[in-house]
Amino acid sequence: RKEVEQDPGPFNVPEGATVAFNCTYSNSASQSFFWYRQDCRKEPKLLMSVYSSGNEDGRFTAQLNRASQYISLLIRDSKLSDSATYLCVVNPTGGYNKLIFGAGTRLAVHP
Amino acid sequence: GAVVSQHPSRVICKSGTSVKIECRSLDFQATTMFWYRQFPKQSLMLMATSNEGSKATYEQGVEKDKFLINHASLTLSTLTVTSAHPEDSSFYICSARDPGQGGFFGPGTRLTVL
Repeated sequence: RKEVEQDPGPFNVPEGATVAFNCTYSNSASQSFFWYRQDCRKEPKLLMSVYSSGNEDGRFTAQLNRASQYISLLIRDSKLSDSATYLCVVNPTGGYNKLIFGAGTRLAVHP
Repeated sequence: GAVVSQHPSRVICKSGTSVKIECRSLDFQATTMFWYRQFPKQSLMLMATSNEGSKATYEQGVEKDKFLINHASLTLSTLTVTSAHPEDSSFYICSARDPGQGGFFGPGTRLTVL
């Protein structure tokens, strides 16, 4: 089983749609969680951290369910500029340690 | 926010040559940096953890004699791909973590070995 699993997509949605991405992780002791965004042929960029209480940043909402080892990202009112690959990322041990990346979910927003 | 730079951004070389990639943290000190590799349409895979002043820690399956890592200062780590072959062609990305952050990535180096 992969350490971090995501639906690869692609998700093709119209502008204004709401889209949700899911992610599961295998290590129940994992400490911290993130969503990154990666544009084609570019480096990943941190979109947001994911907290147990759930957190929101504008149109983006992230949630964590530790019991189910499940992370989600909700994007509301999709924009064309949201088209990218969204990477679910887990820090299994905390601290300044390595990050484990999911394979990413591709989102394509069309007019 | 924290910035990580990487140089060069693109390298094309002949098979058998060695290629050095530099990773710098520009406005913070990073005792630990990470080197990732990403093949087309695949996820980032951690290659090694670079520790300032000590030996790097390599992930399983990554040859330490082929991918030489040097972390000589708190702001610079280098990855040298020795005797590169076409199968080493990939997107190499370094990362450093600023305290409390998820990690910042360099812009990546696209290596093409002919």
